[in-house]
Amino acid sequence: DAGVIQSPRHEVTEMGQEVTLRCKPISGHNSLFWYRQTMMRGLELLIYFNNNVPIDDSGMPEDRFSAKMPNASFSTLKIQPSEPRDSAVYFCASSRLSRGLGDEQFFGPGTRLTVL
Amino acid sequence: GENVEQHPSTLSVQEGDSAVIKCTYSDSASNYFPWYKQELGKRPQLIIDIRSNVGEKKDQRIAVTLNKTAKHFSLHITETQPEDSAVYFCAALSQAAGNKLTFGGGTRVLVKP
Repeated sequence: DAGVIQSPRHEVTEMGQEVTLRCKPISGHNSLFWYRQTMMRGLELLIYFNNNVPIDDSGMPEDRFSAKMPNASFSTLKIQPSEPRDSAVYFCASSRLSRGLGDEQFFGPGTRLTVL
Repeated sequence: GENVEQHPSTLSVQEGDSAVIKCTYSDSASNYFPWYKQELGKRPQLIIDIRSNVGEKKDQRIAVTLNKTAKHFSLHITETQPEDSAVYFCAALSQAAGNKLTFGGGTRVLVKP
């Protein structure tokens, strides 16, 4: 298995531009998570999906952020318009949704976003 | 919602010594407690986890303990090596919260040769 795949790995853009981050979860995993990591705020959960349905988006900072999961193998996180304070590493993670006890989340390599 | 506190934020140890990181959680419904290691510029990777029906788990030089009554859990690394230098995150998952992991703030561990 290739693991969680994210693209692009690095993104440099100018303030006001639209940014789209992409994620392909591990095949067979039915939970998908988007995290943001900064030195100041640590690792923050932005939104997560179970079976392609958004469950909790309380971590999405504001309306400029949106996320979709049109099918079980693809998700996007969009920032429009982007601002310098959005600069961070964005991780996607996936896991199996289990009725029993919790399961390991596997992280993708991350997208390092720089907004100038 | 769940709140996870992690201490210390930084930890410096001599090679060969032990390192201990402690976390507390607030949601008594949490039942899964993973620990992740993140090396500089890399993704977080699971190193050990413990479930609420177990009090202790060990994997070579790494061990984790869980005290459900006190709602705290700890990571113990023995015989530390320079390659153990990284940031370590604890986390708690509450099934009641729908499979959502809440992370602690992280501990930066430096193992001095």
